[in-house]
Amino acid sequence: SQQGEEDPQALSIQEGENATMNCSYKTSINNLQWYRQNSGRGLVHLILIRSNEREKHSGRLRVTLDTSKKSSSLLITASRAADTASYFCATGRYNTDKLIFGTGTRLQVFP
Amino acid sequence: DVKVTQSSRYLVKRTGEKVFLECVQDMDHENMFWYRQDPGLGLRLIYFSYDVKMKEKGDIPEGYSVSREKKERFSLILESASTNQTSMYLCASSITGDVGTDTQYFGPGTRLTVL
Repeated sequence: SQQGEEDPQALSIQEGENATMNCSYKTSINNLQWYRQNSGRGLVHLILIRSNEREKHSGRLRVTLDTSKKSSSLLITASRAADTASYFCATGRYNTDKLIFGTGTRLQVFP
Repeated sequence: DVKVTQSSRYLVKRTGEKVFLECVQDMDHENMFWYRQDPGLGLRLIYFSYDVKMKEKGDIPEGYSVSREKKERFSLILESASTNQTSMYLCASSITGDVGTDTQYFGPGTRLTVL
């Protein structure tokens, strides 16, 4: 069962622009995580935000979480061609070690 | 750094064959997971294991089984491969979080084609 839904499904921008991806989910969560996947490879964890946090930064990444709207956004500032990848949100709940992944946003950054 | 390795990057098998996909992690993680990834469907959990010899079905366990005889190794078995099992298979591991889910660390994936 899919909990996370990313929006948009695909995004194309020029280098230097900001990229924003959104994730919506359905049930109560313990945390929300964002992962990146380069073409044909495994996923790499980017950032985790807990349910009692509203915003978190890591380098050029900024994640926000609005539990009242059951939504999160990932902002990548000053995008680079190397940011070209698929980005997935994943929700974690209390008392379980499972994550539920969304369907992902494909980001293309043109040089 | 956590390292999760999978036995093959690419695999081609024939319908009806028994297929073994192996995953090994080197960080003493309790939890291990097998997902399949298909275009437009994201990652779907097949099975996971929270301890040696323990397993729990995920969302799509039909046609698959798993084995975890040692903490570092988690195997996915396709008893009789079918063409609809052609997919990318991803293994992951994680520690047991204090209050719930923790970060998962992924292997590079195995792209399986069943002819």
